[in-house]
Amino acid sequence: DQQVKQNSPSLSVQEGRISILNCDYTNSMFDYFLWYKKYPAEGPTFLISISSIKDKNEDGRFTVFLNKSAKHLSLHIVPSQPGDSAVYFCAASEGETSGSRLTFGEGTQLTVNP
Amino acid sequence: DSGVTQTPKHLITATGQRVTLRCSPRSGDLSVYWYQQSLDQGLQFLIQYYNGEERAKGNILERFSAQQFPDLHSELNLSSLELGDSALYFCASSVNYGYTFGSGTRLTVV
Repeated sequence: DQQVKQNSPSLSVQEGRISILNCDYTNSMFDYFLWYKKYPAEGPTFLISISSIKDKNEDGRFTVFLNKSAKHLSLHIVPSQPGDSAVYFCAASEGETSGSRLTFGEGTQLTVNP
Repeated sequence: DSGVTQTPKHLITATGQRVTLRCSPRSGDLSVYWYQQSLDQGLQFLIQYYNGEERAKGNILERFSAQQFPDLHSELNLSSLELGDSALYFCASSVNYGYTFGSGTRLTVV
């Protein structure tokens, strides 16, 4: 039972354009959502998060949008840069307190072309 | 350097063998999580330890086991290895919130 799904295995965009990565979840108990970025031969690194009490969180070029009714979240990267090329994982948890385990999606490989 | 150390980085072993993967969490982090990433798969949660005690179990096979020691480092033991166990194994640690991942151990079973 895949509770967090990223339906696009890959996405290719031009440098300077917007990248939009999507994520859907099925567990209505999830109330904290995160995006992680992973380069080859490295572990995932935290990028941005959002609590279910918000519908948008912004950090520089990265914005995460949450649509609770649709159980959908998206990550927008504007403008996209070649260094953003990586695998992006969406993750969710029930609660943001210590010990809450994360459920990850399958990941989306983003390629930003110069 | 994330502060989470995993050893070894690479491991090649034969089917039927047993291996131990080691993880040292960030200083002060009490929770350790183990995840498996197989080819074209997401990160599958295996098991979580908190301050030495097992806290949660995911899709961990009976051939796999883990423990967390008093110094908070953790070991993941994989036995009777099969070709399908070839994967990246990640350890993560956390204290208040937010996972910090290690760089992983790539296990190849031949």
